[in-house]
Amino acid sequence: ETGVTQSPTHLIKTRGQQVTLRCSSQSGHNTVSWYQQALGQGPQFIFQYYREEENGRGNFPPRFSGLQFPNYSSELNVNALELDDSALYLCASSLAGVNQPQHFGDGTRLSIL
Amino acid sequence: AQSVAQPEDQVNVAEGNPLTVKCTYSVSGNPYLFWYVQYPNRGLQFLLKYITGDNLVKGSYGFEAEFNKSQTSFHLKKPSALVSDSALYFCAVRDLNSGGYQKVTFGTGTKLQVIP
Repeated sequence: ETGVTQSPTHLIKTRGQQVTLRCSSQSGHNTVSWYQQALGQGPQFIFQYYREEENGRGNFPPRFSGLQFPNYSSELNVNALELDDSALYLCASSLAGVNQPQHFGDGTRLSIL
Repeated sequence: AQSVAQPEDQVNVAEGNPLTVKCTYSVSGNPYLFWYVQYPNRGLQFLLKYITGDNLVKGSYGFEAEFNKSQTSFHLKKPSALVSDSALYFCAVRDLNSGGYQKVTFGTGTKLQVIP
């Protein structure tokens, strides 16, 4: 069973640039969520995708967007990067269902200069 | 709105002693509660969950958690701590009334340090 994998591991960008982060879900999982974890903080929910549709969103601006593909892999896109976007971005996959635990990847460390 | 509080930034315990990591929650309806562990430079690993039923939930690596509805708490426990348990622990809650998606709210984390 393959776990959740994220790429790249680390990324350095400058303010105003755009970035795409990628996530491959655990085998059989059809739901993917993205989280932002700032240093010393807990993960903050960005949004969730189910069957290629966004079906839930946290308090993040529209410049944070995503995609889910038919194979359930996913992308997180961030436009017009700001210094405060520096964080660990975590992808979590799960089966659909209210009580299903989420399985996390090791994250992408994004640094904005 | 749902929220989670982890009142302790850090917990220190001697190896072999019992450990407790505290968590309290707030939801408008019935909660789903989770504990995750995070090792340095890694993602979160699922430890255990409470959905319904027995208030004492057993999870991975010998951890367990006790759900207390009247105190709105879900403390993580282990009878005998190991040095390898040293990590960052997150409590999380999902409100049953939050809709069809799995918005999970995490606490700010508690660093557990097990001293040899």
